[in-house]
Amino acid sequence: QITLRESGPMLVKPTQTLTLTCNFSGFSLSTSGVSVAWIRQPPGKALEWLAFIYWDDDKRYSPSLKSRLSVSMDTSKNHVVFTMTNMDPVDGGTYFCAHGGKSRLDYWSQGTLVTVSS
Amino acid sequence: QAEVTQEPSLTVSPGGTVTLTCASSTGAVSAAFYPNWFQQKPGQAPRALIYSTRNKHSWTPARFSGSLLGGKAALTLSGAQPEDEADYYCLLYYGGVVVFGGGTKLTVL
Repeated sequence: QITLRESGPMLVKPTQTLTLTCNFSGFSLSTSGVSVAWIRQPPGKALEWLAFIYWDDDKRYSPSLKSRLSVSMDTSKNHVVFTMTNMDPVDGGTYFCAHGGKSRLDYWSQGTLVTVSS
Repeated sequence: QAEVTQEPSLTVSPGGTVTLTCASSTGAVSAAFYPNWFQQKPGQAPRALIYSTRNKHSWTPARFSGSLLGGKAALTLSGAQPEDEADYYCLLYYGGVVVFGGGTKLTVL
């Protein structure tokens, strides 16, 4: 059974860096073809893909946010760390992590609501 | 960056059939975009329905199906149920990156 859960602050100040951890079970990020994705959703708005990290440590980022994003993995501890720098109020919303297979996203976390405010 | 367009809203009668579509600003959508479809109800995480155009997950109800239609990816719901009222998002792969559509709010009424 695949499960994912994020952890991290619910409130960050403008200009600060957001750091979220996705803890997962039921799969290994050492397995060929597996990835973990990060997605966000501002309140009342659409989903927006942010980043992928693949089993071979390849990383892909949304072109519009690439300069602010970073992902890393710890396969032994079954977690992925996501950071977004220089947070702004418009970056507030629910952040999800999801398990990726070959050209698909299947299992999603419940999401964590992040508010950016001073 | 490519843009992915969906109908903002659609309405279907209970028991009826509706097709949601997903278009790419780069041109016709093909299987090489590996279209995925997700359902999201208020306050919940998205739930995956379809991947690689037409493949269903083990939990996907049989009344949902995916296809390519007129240069777009399509999600067809046949025999709509009240519990199908939700937001639906498509996702397309562009090489190493993916883009979500803006979502379709489906009302069952």
